[in-house]
Amino acid sequence: GAVVSQHPSWVICKSGTSVKIECRSLDFQATTMFWYRQFPKQSLMLMATSNEGSKATYEQGVEKDKFLINHASLTLSTLTVTSAHPEDSSFYICSARIQTSGGLYEQYFGPGTRLTVT
Amino acid sequence: AQSVTQPDIHITVSEGASLELRCNYSYGATPYLFWYVQSPGQGLQLLLKYFSGDTLVQGIKGFEAEFKRSQSSFNLRKPSVHWSDAAEYFCAVAKSNFGNEKLTFGTGTRLTIIP
Repeated sequence: GAVVSQHPSWVICKSGTSVKIECRSLDFQATTMFWYRQFPKQSLMLMATSNEGSKATYEQGVEKDKFLINHASLTLSTLTVTSAHPEDSSFYICSARIQTSGGLYEQYFGPGTRLTVT
Repeated sequence: AQSVTQPDIHITVSEGASLELRCNYSYGATPYLFWYVQSPGQGLQLLLKYFSGDTLVQGIKGFEAEFKRSQSSFNLRKPSVHWSDAAEYFCAVAKSNFGNEKLTFGTGTRLTIIP
């Protein structure tokens, strides 16, 4: 249980185009999902918190107009990188929050999406 | 704000040897602590977590970690490593576990296993 998928796993796009990345919770509903960015050999940096049916909350320094997040259903959140540039090349990872017994929360991570902008 | 330090960027151990990966955190109250493992090109898998109670927690794949409040540490251990344990390991801290808690990750420790 608690499987999170991402699509695509790998994408190459040309500079100036937009790319959409999907994050799905396969066997549970997630009102909250998170989007992270990971540079090579570095840690994960939280970009934004995605809440179903409401606007995403972005971390300081993250351009909300560049990284559009839509959480239209309880099992799907999308991240759209608009007008992508080579500096947006990175590994993007999503996670979905699930409530476990006792009222505590855990995050389950997707396998990531490698974005390369040429 | 909370922070996590993983002092070792890269560790190499022989297969069958014991392992300890260090993690130090900075947070004013009792933190929620996690260890994740990431294989190349993959997402993160939760190894274990500490919320409260027994300070020695057991996880998957034979890993364990001990929470030491006096040292602000949450070191990961395994008595005998296998070649399949080669991966990147991340320690993370959350300041709460209710609501939209945010995970702060350390910079990671890359583990190499030699035959």
